[in-house]
Amino acid sequence: QIQLVQSGPELKKPGETVKISCKASGYTFTNYGMNWVKQAPGKGLKWMGWINTYTGEPTYADDFKGRFAFSLETSASTAYLQINNLKNEDTATYFCARREGDGYYPFDYWGQGTTLTVSS
Amino acid sequence: DIQMTQSPASLSASVGETVTITCRASGNIHNYLAWYQQKQGKSPQLLVYNAKTLADGVPSRFSGSGSGTQYSLKINSLQPEDFGSYYCQHFWSTPPTFGAGTKLELK
Repeated sequence: QIQLVQSGPELKKPGETVKISCKASGYTFTNYGMNWVKQAPGKGLKWMGWINTYTGEPTYADDFKGRFAFSLETSASTAYLQINNLKNEDTATYFCARREGDGYYPFDYWGQGTTLTVSS
Repeated sequence: DIQMTQSPASLSASVGETVTITCRASGNIHNYLAWYQQKQGKSPQLLVYNAKTLADGVPSRFSGSGSGTQYSLKINSLQPEDFGSYYCQHFWSTPPTFGAGTKLELK
């Protein structure tokens, strides 16, 4: 069965770096793009961008350019989200979600979410 | 960017009732509209895509409709497991924006 399994909760201090993983199974990893979605506590869903798992090319939403980086370890069917120079406002749950291609398809499978807490 | 305006923000209903949630897009999204259900502490689950196509395993009491800029999700005969939050999302263009969500609570 198709699964996206994310890494566990993180507690970090401002200025630190975090790297969240999303391991896919049950399908051909490179046939689907991997999207990242942020959900701040008690808030809605915000699309952060996506990475083309075939070419490795990332695309970032405007609010997530600069400190955020998407990467892949294709041999392990794993996508990563790295956030540098962490700020308090990065406290949120981060979801990975797969989508066929880069458009005209919904996010059909989601990871369970990784909760990040940034606090001094 | 296309913005999604979702209403109502919250909704209180009883088991057995019928409810409707609406989303208005700031531009024509050509039926590239999905609805997701999210329960507390869980990840969103795809319910409906292409405005009216039910995802695999979704009960038939859920239905989607709409076109152009106006879309809705209807839930007939609410069941206890239907309570949670619902989000619309367009995927016509980048960024694929989400609505602000509707929290469906038990009356």
